[in-house]
Amino acid sequence: NAGVTQTPKFRVLKTGQSMTLLCAQDMNHEYMYWYRQDPGMGLRLIHYSVGEGTTAKGEVPDGYNVSRLKKQNFLLGLESAAPSQTSVYFCASSYHLGTSGPTLRQSYEQYFGPGTRLTVT
Amino acid sequence: RKEVEQDPGPFNVPEGATVAFNCTYSNSASQSFFWYRQDCRKEPKLLMSVYSSGNEDGRFTAQLNRASQYISLLIRDSKLSDSATYLCVVIGSFNFGNEKLTFGTGTRLTIIP
Repeated sequence: NAGVTQTPKFRVLKTGQSMTLLCAQDMNHEYMYWYRQDPGMGLRLIHYSVGEGTTAKGEVPDGYNVSRLKKQNFLLGLESAAPSQTSVYFCASSYHLGTSGPTLRQSYEQYFGPGTRLTVT
Repeated sequence: RKEVEQDPGPFNVPEGATVAFNCTYSNSASQSFFWYRQDCRKEPKLLMSVYSSGNEDGRFTAQLNRASQYISLLIRDSKLSDSATYLCVVIGSFNFGNEKLTFGTGTRLTIIP
């Protein structure tokens, strides 16, 4: 199993350009997430999805859009990139989020992709 | 007050020593707690869950103090390979229909030969 993969690994954009980050998982997980990680800020949830065809806003959704057309893929779009979106973006997936897993760990463990380093100039 | 707070460190500890660090949380209704490990320029990975009674996994011990609202991670006989940033994760109040995960900013640990 590849686990969670992300493309691209690195990208440099100019202000106003658009791009899409692709996340794929082969673990048949229902839940998928997009986070950004900035120095001193920790991981912050941008958007998440609880299943194919569903998406919802997280803590910092402004400037981003997402789509989950297939269960295994979760796309993050930046329509008009800004320097404030310079960050490391992590995708994650989980079996479930809640008490439906057989163990605490399986209920909540998130599997992360390797990250995408995005610089907006 | 931040929902989850960690001492950013860095903690520079000689190999073989014992090191401990805490993570405080503000929501007394928080349900579950975890420690993740993140190596430099890598993704976070789950290290261990934190149970009310405390739990141990080899050289690692995690404990929860609900009264004072903090969790701790103790590493005994530290190895060079333990050098990483340790993130605490708190499952807080019910948010998006399930539970909200909040990540701390991480504590950076460097083990010195």
